[in-house]
Amino acid sequence: GESVGLHLPTLSVQEGDNSIINCAYSNSASDYFIWYKQESGKGPQFIIDIRSNMDKRQGQRVTVLLNKTVKHLSLQIAATQPGDSAVYFCAENKWGGKLIFGQGTELSVKP
Amino acid sequence: NAGVTQTPKFQVLKTGQSMTLQCAQDMNHEYMSWYRQDPGMGLRLIHYSVGAGITDQGEVPNGYNVSRSTTEDFPLRLLSAAPSQTSVYFCASTQGNPYEQYFGPGTRLTVT
Repeated sequence: GESVGLHLPTLSVQEGDNSIINCAYSNSASDYFIWYKQESGKGPQFIIDIRSNMDKRQGQRVTVLLNKTVKHLSLQIAATQPGDSAVYFCAENKWGGKLIFGQGTELSVKP
Repeated sequence: NAGVTQTPKFQVLKTGQSMTLQCAQDMNHEYMSWYRQDPGMGLRLIHYSVGAGITDQGEVPNGYNVSRSTTEDFPLRLLSAAPSQTSVYFCASTQGNPYEQYFGPGTRLTVT
């Protein structure tokens, strides 16, 4: 069946290091994949999206990689900062903006 | 702009009670949606609306009703609350890019 899942539920990194958060998906028909960040007690916040006909997209300090062969998505955060500590969700667009979210990975940044 | 606002922030209900969660946005967005988030899980879509007068079901619509009489407001109604509806509820809106959704701060609902 369709699912969007994450490999690891928690990730701890040292401040200044790069972070890589992974996500697997099973619906090869999805046309968009999106990453959201959710800080404690707040609603999710859009980070970046990638269309299925791309394999890489860069934003400010973030890069999303899409590997359609193995149905894998990753979010790379460069020079991770304490303010990056949050839960990160990948989501796939099932149809017309209706998103299917994964479980989330909690990123903890150690000073 | 206030963005997406939700009221109340916290609510405790007894089984069988009804209530309405309010959601409003001042960005003139056409698309609005409701999600629920359970511990350790991602968000699941309850209902959505692509414009005033138009609503449709998401993944988990049972036990919830919505209406969209104006562009700004998208209330979520629980007709007869059940403990399984204990969750955090998020409202979101978007215009243009349907994937860049703006989320409200959430309503934490407990049903006893």
